[in-house]
Parts: sequence; C-alpha cells; structure tokens
Amino acid sequence: SAVISQKPSRDICQRGTSLTIQCQVDSQVTMMFWYRQQPGQSLTLIATANQGSEATYESGFVIDKFPISRPNLTFSTLTVSNMSPEDSSIYLCSVEYFANEQFFGPGTRLTVL
Amino acid sequence: GDSVTQMEGPVTLSEEAFLTINCTYTATGYPSLFWYVQYPGEGLQLLLKATKADDKGSNKGFEATYRKETTSFHLEKGSVQVSDSAVYFCALSDPAAGNKLTFGGGTRVLVKP
Repeated sequence: SAVISQKPSRDICQRGTSLTIQCQVDSQVTMMFWYRQQPGQSLTLIATANQGSEATYESGFVIDKFPISRPNLTFSTLTVSNMSPEDSSIYLCSVEYFANEQFFGPGTRLTVL
Repeated sequence: GDSVTQMEGPVTLSEEAFLTINCTYTATGYPSLFWYVQYPGEGLQLLLKATKADDKGSNKGFEATYRKETTSFHLEKGSVQVSDSAVYFCALSDPAAGNKLTFGGGTRVLVKP
C-alpha cells in the first residue's frame, strides 16, 4: 500500500483566511482525491485531482472555494479559501493505488473560529 | 445515483461479543465493495474488500460477503476486543460512476472490557 502524509495535521484558523493542505505520496499515482469529513459525519468527495489537468469537482464544491494543485504524480494541495466556521472539518486526501482501492492519508483537522 | 446505507450507531458491546454491522447499497453498475475503519484520531484504513458476487473479504477477524441478490455487504466479527472500538464505514466503487467511492454514514462501535 502507499504511504501518504498530510501537512498540517491540524490547524486553528480565523474566519476569512485561507489554509493550504499538502498531500505527499511515496510513489507515483495517477488518481488523487480530496474528501471532507464534517464533525460526526461520513466522507464527502470534494474533487478528483489528476496530474496535468484541472481538478474535477463534485456537486456543491467549486474551484474558487477549494482550489487544488497537482504539479506531479506524488503531490497535491488543497486550499480552503475565505474560511468560515462551517468549514471546520477533517480534510483527507486519498490515492488509487490498485484498481478500485483507495488509500487515505491521516487527515488534516481544521477548526475555524 | 449510487448510495450506501449502514446501520446507525453507536453500537456498544462487551469484549468477546459478536459484532454485526449491516450495510446495503444501490449502484448503477457492478460495484466493488469495501469496509474502512477509522480509529480515534486517525485517518481511514481499508479493512477488507470484495469485487464480485459471493466473494468474502476478511481481515483481522472481520468478514463480509458480497451478496448481490440482497445488495448487502454486512460486516461481522465473532469476538470483538476493546481495540476494535472505532468507526466503520461501508463503501462502494462503481465503474459506471468513474470508480468514485461512495460512503455510508459510518457506524461507531464501542467495545467495553
């Protein structure tokens, strides 16, 4: 399985600011994904990030709020822009390493005050 | 669209008790099915999977069988330990939906000594 790291592991931010979350994988992968897990809830897919193309966003998520970069096959960033308390969540990246199998990073716990 | 329904928690058990978490799904295509586990303060880990009807996934004493006729993938463990306390997520990956993961709501399991 892939080894996936995320930075930061947690942060407390003021409303109106932005936070960039990094996801690093120890091997090259084609498919990377970003999820949000709101408190006590399940995971919701934000977007799929493929290297060399723009991210594909799910319904309810827009690029202006959650810009994503994917500069190479081992790295991606998700920015949460103009944050509000409703953005307080755990943000997780995942990679598709084997067919149909996704492996998840440890998550970034974000609290917006 | 695709959906996954799993029993709501929390489920509270005594050590060595039998655990069942029900999971049913609807999918457009022929999905692969997964159980993920999230231990307190950690990210998601893939627990087991099944890719076709009647397949049985197993890991760490947990089992689940892909039942196409009842569109179910119930998770079972014969004798739980305190260390099994976690949130368990049922999920599917549907090739007809680009292999995106769809998660159930999660079931919190608490095992008491």
